[in-house]
Amino acid sequence: DQQVKQNSPSLSVQEGRISILNCDYTNSMFDYFLWYKKYPAEGPTFLISISSIKDKNEDGRFTVFLNKSAKHLSLHIVPSQPGDSAVYFCAAVGYRSARQLTFGSGTQLTVLP
Amino acid sequence: ETGVTQSPTHLIKTRGQQVTLRCSSQSGHNTVSWYQQALGQGPQFIFQYYREEENGRGNFPPRFSGLQFPNYSSELNVNALELDDSALYLCASSLAGTSGSTGELFFGEGSRLTVL
Repeated sequence: DQQVKQNSPSLSVQEGRISILNCDYTNSMFDYFLWYKKYPAEGPTFLISISSIKDKNEDGRFTVFLNKSAKHLSLHIVPSQPGDSAVYFCAAVGYRSARQLTFGSGTQLTVLP
Repeated sequence: ETGVTQSPTHLIKTRGQQVTLRCSSQSGHNTVSWYQQALGQGPQFIFQYYREEENGRGNFPPRFSGLQFPNYSSELNVNALELDDSALYLCASSLAGTSGSTGELFFGEGSRLTVL
């Protein structure tokens, strides 16, 4: 049973436009959420995170939104750049399982020039 | 500051064999976690080591075992390899005791294991 789901395996966006990546979760014990980016032949790298006590966190071009009632979070990238093309993983961690991340299956983002 | 390094980067084994994967954690980090990433899937938590002891384990059988050494480097051992063990094995390090339950991990490039 997948506790973190990314239902879109791929997304294509024009350079300069907004990219929106979505993630749903089922476990109410998750209290911290993260997005990781992965290029081919590299390990995942941390991008941005959000605590369950917040509904928005912004870092430059990247913003994560959390809707706890819907158990849904999204990552917005504005403006999208070709270098953003990568696989994006949503991950969650529970209070009693520090740093034991539960990952979604990932979304391949392609930003077209 | 050195990052997380893993070895070997690629290896091929046959069913029933045993494999050892190695990881050097990022400088200053005392916690190491191992994840398995099957093709088309997200990483799955195998286990975590802190102060040389297992500190949490995912849904993996006992033939998956690990070690953490005094210098915080780590090994992942898999016995009696099965075809489904073919995957990318990721090591991640972090510093325990910081920022509560935040899950920021620093990953290595991974070891790609193919079981024939």
